[in-house]
Amino acid sequence: GDSVTQMEGPVTLSEEAFLTINCTYTATGYPSLFWYVQYPGEGLQLLLKATKADDKGSNKGFEATYRKETTSFHLEKGSVQVSDSAVYFCAQIPHDKVIFGPGTSLSVIP
Amino acid sequence: DTGVSQDPRHKITKRGQNVTFRCDPISEHNRLYWYRQTLGQGPEFLTYFQNEAQLEKSRLLSDRFSAERPKGSFSTLEIQRTEQGDSAMYLCASSATTGRTEAFFGQGTRLTVV
Repeated sequence: GDSVTQMEGPVTLSEEAFLTINCTYTATGYPSLFWYVQYPGEGLQLLLKATKADDKGSNKGFEATYRKETTSFHLEKGSVQVSDSAVYFCAQIPHDKVIFGPGTSLSVIP
Repeated sequence: DTGVSQDPRHKITKRGQNVTFRCDPISEHNRLYWYRQTLGQGPEFLTYFQNEAQLEKSRLLSDRFSAERPKGSFSTLEIQRTEQGDSAMYLCASSATTGRTEAFFGQGTRLTVV
């Protein structure tokens, strides 16, 4: 069935370090792909999206490229800040509902 | 319209009681979704509506759970005879119908069953 797998956390980085969170998906068709972010005690916020192969989604310094050949959508940021500490969820919409990965917790220390 | 609104934000109830949550989606969004999220986990799909029609229900949605969207606008999720295992964050989201578009989430309702 349709699913999303992402790297286990928690991830702890120093401020200004490079971030990569791996995400792969399994889908029967050609899904739209998303990254959502959840700050402590809050709901989910859409961070970025890509709707077709080779699309690059970007927002707030985060980027992810839709790689159909590897069924991946890895999240990257060149220089993380303390304010980026949150849980990041990779997600897909293969047909009509959002399917989430388990989430990766990120802590950025000064 | 400022986004998806959920009420209440927090609910504490005794085991065996019934609870009802409300979700107001973004205007003009035809699709409305309910998810459940437990600590340290990703959101799990419960059910979704297209306008007033409930199109899919997850196996997670036992017969103690019922959701409605009577006029295709706001939705309610009711849990009857609550159990401690129902303690979770209940998230509502809405999206437009065209294509595989993104869903926008509310702040959630945190349910604690004691």
